[in-house]
Amino acid sequence: DSGVTQTPKHLITATGQRVTLRCSPRSGDLSVYWYQQSLDQGLQFLIQYYNGEERAKGNILERFSAQQFPDLHSELNLSSLELGDSALYFCASRPTPTDTQYFGPGTRLTVL
Amino acid sequence: EDQVTQSPEALRLQEGESSSLNCSYTVSGLRGLFWYRQDPGKGPEFLFTLYSAGEEKEKERLKATLTKKESFLHITAPKPEDSATYLCAVREDAGGTSYGKLTFGQGTILTVHP
Repeated sequence: DSGVTQTPKHLITATGQRVTLRCSPRSGDLSVYWYQQSLDQGLQFLIQYYNGEERAKGNILERFSAQQFPDLHSELNLSSLELGDSALYFCASRPTPTDTQYFGPGTRLTVL
Repeated sequence: EDQVTQSPEALRLQEGESSSLNCSYTVSGLRGLFWYRQDPGKGPEFLFTLYSAGEEKEKERLKATLTKKESFLHITAPKPEDSATYLCAVREDAGGTSYGKLTFGQGTILTVHP
C-alpha cells in the first residue's frame, strides 16, 4: 500500500459525458501528479500540482483539467468523453525534497 | 525530448533462471532513473532510484545498475511471484522546470514459470 488513494476504482460512462476522478496523496506530500495509461501509449504524464498550484503540463487534452485543493487532495476532470479516453488514470504523490513518486491504485475509465 | 526504451518487450523464464532487463535512455541531464513493478490492473510499485553511473541497488532477488546510457534490472533465481511488468522511468534535470515529471518506457512483461 503506497498510501495514495484514488476513487472510484472503476467508472463506466458514455461518450460526451463528464467525469471527475479523485486522488488523496500520502500524508504530508505536497506534489501530486496525474498519469494516463493506455495499451498503445503506455504511462503518459498529464499534469502536476504542488501545494495547490499547477507546476507542469504534459500531453493533457484541453477537454481535461485538474485542480488541487487546500487539503491537498486533487481532482482530474474529463469532459466531452470519447472512446479513446478509456484508460487507467493514476495519481502519484512525491514527498519533498525526494525524487520518488508513489502511485495510487488507479481509476479504470471505460467510455462506451 | 526524453526517450526511454525497454527491452525485451516480453520475457519468459523458468523458475530459478536468472536474466536481465534493459532500459536505454536519452535525456539531456539525468536527475534520476526509476524502476517500478506493475501487476495487472494495479498501480506501479516503486522499486529503486539510481542517480549516477556505477550505482547499484539491491532488493531481494532484484538488482538495478546504471551506466551513462542504460540501466539493467537483474533478476536472480526468479520465482513465479516475480511475474509482473517492470517499468523504467527517467526524470530529467531541466533546471527545475520539469518539476519531477517522469518519462516511462513501455515496460517489460516478465513471466516466470514454475
